[in-house]
Amino acid sequence: GQQVMQIPQYQHVQEGEDFTTYCNSSTTLSNIQWYKQRPGGHPVFLIQLVKSGEVKKQKRLTFQFGEAKKNSSLHITATQTTDVGTYFCAGRVGGNKLVFGAGTILRVKS
Amino acid sequence: DTAVSQTPKYLVTQMGNDKSIKCEQNLGHDTMYWYKQDSKKFLKIMFSYNNKELIINETVPNRFSPKSPDKAHLNLHINSLELGDSAVYFCASSQTGASYGYTFGSGTRLTVV
Repeated sequence: GQQVMQIPQYQHVQEGEDFTTYCNSSTTLSNIQWYKQRPGGHPVFLIQLVKSGEVKKQKRLTFQFGEAKKNSSLHITATQTTDVGTYFCAGRVGGNKLVFGAGTILRVKS
Repeated sequence: DTAVSQTPKYLVTQMGNDKSIKCEQNLGHDTMYWYKQDSKKFLKIMFSYNNKELIINETVPNRFSPKSPDKAHLNLHINSLELGDSAVYFCASSQTGASYGYTFGSGTRLTVV
């Protein structure tokens, strides 16, 4: 079936270091979304990317959508303890079905 | 006001029991979903309803039965609960064609003992 692969599974960083999580799809995506889930919480929508090669920024977060619309990345500059959580990408492959990646768990050491 | 609310928040029950989880959204969205999140955090779609019509029905045991009385509600009934059903179940909603994503409920942590 349709799959969205996400790496790494875990990332432990020192506060102030950068962090990146990557998503890859075996098929072209109509769009990709990113979510953050704090420990014990629920996924919260961060952003949606639609256009090939699109780059969007939210403060220290930079989101990219690949030219072929098969991959995406989320980069956090100078992580803070408030960035702790699991980051999910979710790709839409036509219709209304959103396929979630396995998530990247981010831990930040202060 | 909570946008997507699920009840109960916690559910501990014995194997073989039947239980229901309720979900309501006040966002006016036309589509609702049930996701299962296992201990490894993987989010797996179970069901999706658009305007009360079932549009996604993934491979889940037929012990799980969703019911959508109207487009603001999507309930999940589980028969003959098994240990492997223990997980966090999230309800979510979205609006077709919108540029924003899904709004998730706070989850129901189901523990089968």
